[in-house]
Amino acid sequence: NAGVTQTPKFQVLKTGQSMTLQCAQDMNHNSMYWYRQDPGMGLRLIYYSASEGTTDKGEVPNGYNVSRLNKREFSLRLESAAPSQTSVYFCASIRRLFNTEAFFGQGTRLTVV
Amino acid sequence: EDKVVQSPLSLVVHEGDTVTLNCSYEVTNFRSLLWYKQEKKAPTFLFMLTSSGIEKKSGRLSSILDKKELFSILNITATQTGDSAIYLCAVERPTGNQFYFGTGTSLTVIP
Repeated sequence: NAGVTQTPKFQVLKTGQSMTLQCAQDMNHNSMYWYRQDPGMGLRLIYYSASEGTTDKGEVPNGYNVSRLNKREFSLRLESAAPSQTSVYFCASIRRLFNTEAFFGQGTRLTVV
Repeated sequence: EDKVVQSPLSLVVHEGDTVTLNCSYEVTNFRSLLWYKQEKKAPTFLFMLTSSGIEKKSGRLSSILDKKELFSILNITATQTGDSAIYLCAVERPTGNQFYFGTGTSLTVIP
């Protein structure tokens, strides 16, 4: 069972470079999320997609864009990376049946120099 | 402003001790509260709580929610070194399907 797959696992960017973090889930979930995790800050929501074709801003959307091309995939793009975007990024998808449960990818450690 | 506050921020205990982790929240339109354990990588699900006063248990871990006082606790009894992790609390709002995470409690269990 693949669950939530994130790529890449590690990335180093120079200030001003762009990149896209990829996320795919094979659980047929409607809702997908991008979080960043910084020391002492917990997980902060960047963007989320409640369903295919829709996206909404979370707590810290500035400097990011997202794309929900289909139900499986939800990508996060940094158009012009800044050192403040150095962080660990997690993609998650949500299952809502009798319980609500978030399934997380393994994370992308991004360093912007 | 919606917020989730966890305490303590960090905790060091010896094996066999019992610990209580706290999560308080100020979130409008509360739907559920979730606890996660995060070791080296991605968080893993522990509990979801929606009703006050009903304890959820899984082995040595248990959790309870108080919707009147807006907090939850996570108890771990007879701690083991494998319990060392960051414990995250998240509150779900039904509006917009949003989850708000606390900063986490870093637990270290010393042999």
